[in-house]
Amino acid sequence: DGGITQSPKYLFRKEGQNVTLSCEQNLNHDAMYWYRQDPGQGLRLIYYSQIVNDFQKGDIAEGYSVSREKKESFPLTVTSAQKNPTAFYLCASSRTGAGGYTFGSGTRLTVV
Amino acid sequence: AQSVTQLGSHVSVSEGALVLLRCNYSSSVPPYLFWYVQYPNQGLQLLLKYTSAATLVKGINGFEAEFKKSETSFHLTKPSAHMSDAAEYFCAVSGGQETSGSRLTFGEGTQLTVNP
Repeated sequence: DGGITQSPKYLFRKEGQNVTLSCEQNLNHDAMYWYRQDPGQGLRLIYYSQIVNDFQKGDIAEGYSVSREKKESFPLTVTSAQKNPTAFYLCASSRTGAGGYTFGSGTRLTVV
Repeated sequence: AQSVTQLGSHVSVSEGALVLLRCNYSSSVPPYLFWYVQYPNQGLQLLLKYTSAATLVKGINGFEAEFKKSETSFHLTKPSAHMSDAAEYFCAVSGGQETSGSRLTFGEGTQLTVNP
């Protein structure tokens, strides 16, 4: 079955470390997205990509970086510049022009 | 540009009672509208979507929503709540067929509690 796979499900980071969250989809979707979710704050868009080798900043891109070298993959790096990275991170994908996203199951990142 | 307002960050109902979660939208073009459900520590799952066909949309788990253009609303309802419906619900809007992109704008979410 097609879907989106996020890994790992839980991730622990020491202060000052960069970490990379994986997101892979086999839905042949053009667009992919990264969201951050904090309690009581809904979903906040970090980065999105509508085509391979191109991506745009969302509302809270500072301290994060992405790449889109393959259609299927959209990894997110949380850099040491992100001062409060503890959160639940969600990846999603969609077909351009169509309705709705398909979400991954999320990665919970904790700074220790 | 689009925006979504979900009225009530927390809604509590008794098991067997009507569930009503409110969503109002703003869109400069005919919208596509969506409801998603999120269980703890999981991703969002699509409940239902409106894409300019029938205004009453039926989704999974007995939920439905009605698109009311005059009220710019897309409220989610279920006649009888089950304990398993306890979750967070998100309303979302996109620009529909008028836009080549498909970015969704999400509401802040409504946490539904079902009491026994």
